[in-house]
Amino acid sequence: DVKVTQSSRYLVKRTGEKVFLECVQDMDHENMFWYRQDPGLGLRLIYFSYDVKMKEKGDIPEGYSVSREKKERFSLILESASTNQTSMYLCASSLLGGGEQYFGPGTRLTVT
Amino acid sequence: QKEVEQDPGPLSVPEGAIVSLNCTYSNSAFQYFMWYRQYSRKGPELLMYTYSSGNKEDGRFTAQVDKSSKYISLFIRDSQPSDSATYLCAMKRNTDKLIFGTGTRLQVFP
Repeated sequence: DVKVTQSSRYLVKRTGEKVFLECVQDMDHENMFWYRQDPGLGLRLIYFSYDVKMKEKGDIPEGYSVSREKKERFSLILESASTNQTSMYLCASSLLGGGEQYFGPGTRLTVT
Repeated sequence: QKEVEQDPGPLSVPEGAIVSLNCTYSNSAFQYFMWYRQYSRKGPELLMYTYSSGNKEDGRFTAQVDKSSKYISLFIRDSQPSDSATYLCAMKRNTDKLIFGTGTRLQVFP
């Protein structure tokens, strides 16, 4: 069974703070993804990575960065959190070339 | 125009009804089509995965792809209250990036 875990289910941060969201998968998947999900906008891809130390921008990378030092772990970093980054953040993983993405439970981030 | 369009609902049906959920898309290069189910406060889980045109059945669920019309559907037979969730369609070309619809919220009442 594929398992994708995220470090926190709920997080409250203040404007300007640096925020780290961590994601770990246990299925040796090459690809890992970070999305944010907002009502009426669906899932939007922030960044993805197809290998260790490799990353590609998604549709909305502004204000975010990522780090992938190990194959199983993919971190999303908000350098200076802003209120418009309040959202549900979802991590996913998949095999290289595989269509099926497996999602973590999500982190609901509130920036005040 | 969005690449993938999905009616947000909510769709409210009585238990036992047949439910039809739909997405349209604009990019004819899409070849792989998926349906995800997302319960409240959870991550999406893969429900159905199809390649190119045709039907695929899994228990009470049937996924249908009509590439000529750029239209995909998910049918749920004998719907149950436990089917109440948001259903997301997703599709991709020959890359690893998925394009998602915005999701349809389904409520099945007893």
